[in-house]
Amino acid sequence: QVQLVQSGAEVKKPGASVKVSCKASGYSFTGYFLHWVRQAPGQGLEWMGWINPDSGGTNIPQNFQGRVTMTRDTSISTAYMELNRLRSDDTAVYYCARDRGDYSSDHWGQGTLVTVSS
Amino acid sequence: DIVMTQSPESLAVSLGERATINCKSSQSVLYSSNNKNYFGWYQQKPGQPPKLLIYWASTRESGVPDRFSGSGSGTDFTLTISSLQAEDVAVYYCQQYYSTPYTFGQGTKLEIK
Repeated sequence: QVQLVQSGAEVKKPGASVKVSCKASGYSFTGYFLHWVRQAPGQGLEWMGWINPDSGGTNIPQNFQGRVTMTRDTSISTAYMELNRLRSDDTAVYYCARDRGDYSSDHWGQGTLVTVSS
Repeated sequence: DIVMTQSPESLAVSLGERATINCKSSQSVLYSSNNKNYFGWYQQKPGQPPKLLIYWASTRESGVPDRFSGSGSGTDFTLTISSLQAEDVAVYYCQQYYSTPYTFGQGTKLEIK
């Protein structure tokens, strides 16, 4: 069965960086895009971009460009999302989600809580 | 960016009754070349990740009960739960994936009356 298992919770200081991992299993890792979505406490969902695990190509929206890097390691079926220059409003649960093939997301990781606090 | 606006923000429905959630996009998400709406609905229960319910605006994801249905095209969409069950208490989000950034509605909180 399809599974996406994310790395554990992180606490970071403002200005630092965080790298969240997402390990895929149960399907061909390079066959499906992966999305990253975040959710601030008590708030809605915000799409952060996708990565094509086959080519490494990414699509990152303007509001995250320059701060977000998405990479992957196909040898271990794992995708990574790194967010730099952290601010307090980056405190959120970060999800990876598999693309169904049409840019919707049919399987989600369990989420990784990133807390940014001085 | 395409803005997605859901209504209502919260909704209380009696068990067994119908629940209806609306979502309006600021521009059409219908792709003319394949006549598909790049639009979906997700359900999120507390402490859980979102779950895809509906894609292409009206196609139920595998395993989703048939009491959930999606309708609409272009800019106006509806999620209907035909007979509310206790396990349907959740926040529901719409999403357009027609153009980046793929945007979500603000969510509709569904409760039991």
